[in-house]
Amino acid sequence: DAGITQSPRYKITETGRQVTLMCHQTWSHSYMFWYRQDLGHGLRLIYYSAAADITDKGEVPDGYVVSRSKTENFPLTLESATRSQTSVYFCASRGTDSNQPQHFGDGTRLSIL
Amino acid sequence: GQQLNQSPQSMFIQEGEDVSMNCTSSSIFNTWLWYKQEPGEGPVLLIALYKAGELTSNGRLTAQFGITRKDSFLNISASIPSDVGIYFCAGRPSGSARQLTFGSGTQLTV
Repeated sequence: DAGITQSPRYKITETGRQVTLMCHQTWSHSYMFWYRQDLGHGLRLIYYSAAADITDKGEVPDGYVVSRSKTENFPLTLESATRSQTSVYFCASRGTDSNQPQHFGDGTRLSIL
Repeated sequence: GQQLNQSPQSMFIQEGEDVSMNCTSSSIFNTWLWYKQEPGEGPVLLIALYKAGELTSNGRLTAQFGITRKDSFLNISASIPSDVGIYFCAGRPSGSARQLTFGSGTQLTV
């Protein structure tokens, strides 16, 4: 059972390029999340979505764009990548009940040169 | 945003030893979660806590939801090499539909 999958697992790109990270979940979870993980900061929420066509900013949304046209997919786009966006990105999902725990993908390691 | 203070940042222990780590907040939380992350993987849920005072075990792991609702503890008994990883606490602040706040993690080396 795939659960939640992220692609690509690794990506190297250059400053100024557009990059899209994909996230797909098979649980029909309403909520999906994007985090970035950096040394010393733990996991910081970038954007989240409560349902298809509903998205909200998290703690560090600047420089990122999300969309959710289908419940199972939640792509994250860096429209013009900067070096400060070099990080490991995690997607997560959960059901409707806010007490339900989030389940994470295996991450995308993004390097911006 | 909400701040979670997780300690210690890292631990080096001998196999067989018990381990304790904790998270504290200045705000009240309704939910506490403990995750473990191994290299190259995403965090995996270990224990979820929903009530103040709740004590929950998962094998050799035991976690508690603090009475004040501002802290949580994770204990690992008789550590083994596969316990190596980063342990994260996460909490959901009370009120509205706020999302999870994560601690900065405890790196455990056995």
